[in-house]
Amino acid sequence: DIQMTQSPSTLSASVGDRVTITCRASQSISSWLAWYQQKPGKVPKLLIYKASGLESGVPSRFSGSGSGTEFNLTISSLQPDDFATYYCQQYNSYPGTFGQGTNLEIK
Amino acid sequence: EVHLVQSGAEVKKPGESLKISCKGSGYSFTSYWIGWVRQMPGKGLEWMGIIYPGDSDTIYSPSFQGQVTISADKSISTAYLQWSSLKASDTAMYYCARTSLVTTIRSAFDIWGQGTMVTVSS
Repeated sequence: DIQMTQSPSTLSASVGDRVTITCRASQSISSWLAWYQQKPGKVPKLLIYKASGLESGVPSRFSGSGSGTEFNLTISSLQPDDFATYYCQQYNSYPGTFGQGTNLEIK
Repeated sequence: EVHLVQSGAEVKKPGESLKISCKGSGYSFTSYWIGWVRQMPGKGLEWMGIIYPGDSDTIYSPSFQGQVTISADKSISTAYLQWSSLKASDTAMYYCARTSLVTTIRSAFDIWGQGTMVTVSS
């Protein structure tokens, strides 16, 4: 199985900050990576597909980059609604594994 | 509008069997893969397996192979996740989710069910 490792596990930031979450794959997954946002008690929501594709309806302050084994999710200017847990997921090969999650909290 | 609607919360005893469901609507159910994702209390997302309702082709994570069975009934646009003998460690929220691209398994999950909470306790 491909292992996905996110860093950091917890990130403290303020409204207006630019933040970046990193996801590393244990082997190359080309660009077959998605990012999801999950708020407490809620269903995960797709933000980014194929490493950099912005899902319809997702604010443009979210962006994804990377290929191969290293990927980033960047939020250009944090809004109060963005404080949540973020997961990456590879779907290059199956099982499609998730990262362990990054908890983005208010500083 | 595209929806996945899951069956309601379950409380079971260890050793009991269970089958939970995920009903798709608003799209061609047989043309998109449906995956199942586990989230144990306070923990992250775990990919369990995926099925193509068109022909019931199924792939399991090695971590869940033999522990659960994934199936689908395309006549009623419903996918299932079942256990033959539950354990306390199966206590979790279970989500179904649809791949975003038609027919291809190499696709992110764009539509999620609301989740089914399964509690296993004696």
